[in-house]
Amino acid sequence: EIVLTQSPGTLSLSPGERATLSCRASQSVSSSYLAWYQQKPGQAPRLLIYHASSRATGIPDRFSGSGSGTDFTLTISRLEPEDFAVYYCQQYGSSPMYTFGQGTKLEIK
Amino acid sequence: EEQLVESGGGWVKPGGSLRLSCAGSGFTFSNAWMSWVRQAPGKGLEWVGRIKSKVDGGTTDYAAPVKGRFTISRDDSKTTVYLQMNSLKTEDTAVYYCCTGWYLDHWGQGTLVTVTS
Repeated sequence: EIVLTQSPGTLSLSPGERATLSCRASQSVSSSYLAWYQQKPGQAPRLLIYHASSRATGIPDRFSGSGSGTDFTLTISRLEPEDFAVYYCQQYGSSPMYTFGQGTKLEIK
Repeated sequence: EEQLVESGGGWVKPGGSLRLSCAGSGFTFSNAWMSWVRQAPGKGLEWVGRIKSKVDGGTTDYAAPVKGRFTISRDDSKTTVYLQMNSLKTEDTAVYYCCTGWYLDHWGQGTLVTVTS
C-alpha cells in the first residue's frame, strides 16, 4: 500500500499570499495518478486537480499541481478568503487500493 | 448537472447491519465507476471500496478494514449504488460519501453512520 504524507499539517497564511502544500508518497505513484481535494467544514470534498497537474472543471487557475514519482505539490498562487480549508492528496494509480494523505489545514493567519 | 444523493445512514449497534444507497442523476450512470469514501468524526478521508461499470467488468475492490464485511453493488436501471455493511464495529462510525469516477470527480453530501451500543 502506498502511504501519502502531507506537509505541513497546518499552514497559516494571509489572503493574497502564495500557498505551497506538499504530498510525498512512500513509493512511486504510477503515471502521476495523483489528485488533490479541498474540503470546507460541513461540506463534501471537491476535486481540484487530477493526474497531478490537470485542473478539474470550474477550478480557478490560481490552483496548480505539479510533481511526479514520489513528490507532488499543490500551489495556490494568491489566496482568496474562500481558499481556507483542508486539502487532501490521493493516489489512484496503485489499484485497487486508493489512499489519501492525512490532510493539510490551511488557516488564516 | 451531476448529482449524487446518499441515504440510509443512522444508528446501529455493534455487530449490526446497515445498507446505504446512493442515487445518481445528470450523468450516464451505467458508464460510471462508483466509490464509497468515509470520514470518521474529526478525521481524514478513507477510501472504502469501488465498483466498476459493467462494461469494465463490474468488479469490486475494498479497503482492508472492510473487506469481507462490506459489499458494494449497483442497479443501473435505478441509477443507484449500494453499500451493504455487516458486522459493524464502533470504528465504522463515519460520514459515508459516494463518489463517481476513477479519480473522484463528484461527491454526494454524505450520510452519517453511528455504530454504538
